[in-house]
Amino acid sequence: QLQLQESGPRLVKPSETLSLTCTVSGGSISSNNYYWGWIRQPPGKGLEWIGSFYYSGRTSYNPSLKSRVTVSGDTSKNQFSLKLTSVTAADTAVYYCARHIMAGPTDYWGQGTMVTVSS
Amino acid sequence: QPVLTQSSSASASLGSSVKLTCTLSSGHSSYIIAWHQQQPGKAPRYLMKLEDSGSYNKGSGVPDRFSGSSSGADRYLTISNLQSEDEADYYCETWDRNTWVFGGGTKLTVL
Repeated sequence: QLQLQESGPRLVKPSETLSLTCTVSGGSISSNNYYWGWIRQPPGKGLEWIGSFYYSGRTSYNPSLKSRVTVSGDTSKNQFSLKLTSVTAADTAVYYCARHIMAGPTDYWGQGTMVTVSS
Repeated sequence: QPVLTQSSSASASLGSSVKLTCTLSSGHSSYIIAWHQQQPGKAPRYLMKLEDSGSYNKGSGVPDRFSGSSSGADRYLTISNLQSEDEADYYCETWDRNTWVFGGGTKLTVL
């Protein structure tokens, strides 16, 4: 059974960089036909896709966040990561890592981690 | 980029059926979507992929009470024999050239 687990700081200061890692077990991020990505949910609000990557190095990003986001993977550790720069209070959210079927739906989700941006 | 529109809330009685709607934006009426369920305090869970033909494929372990259908730009999720654990937020999702977008979600209350 595929499992995804987010890890990283729960509190980030304004203007700094939010960094999260997703560790994948029960499957490989080097598998064909899957993208691996990040989705967030501000408190009381809906889901927003942030960005995703494919093991070959291809990436795709939400245009509204593209200038601040990097998603990358480490196949040796079977992990992938999110970096979001210049954060503000508006970036406070639960951050989920997830697997997407290539040209298809998100079919597996991590449990999520709450990140608060505050001084 | 497609846009997905969902009603913000819905309600139905225990044991009854409810049909939730997700509407695709103009020019995207043929797109395939997915439905996800998010119970309070939990991560979303993938329910099914739903095509414009009305054909759907459910995720592992999704009860038979959940089904999908389509009409034009509308995609539907029908839940039969509503149970208390069905009270949740339901999100539709679609994708375009390996970018993904979600609808705003519908909060379902089971009365």
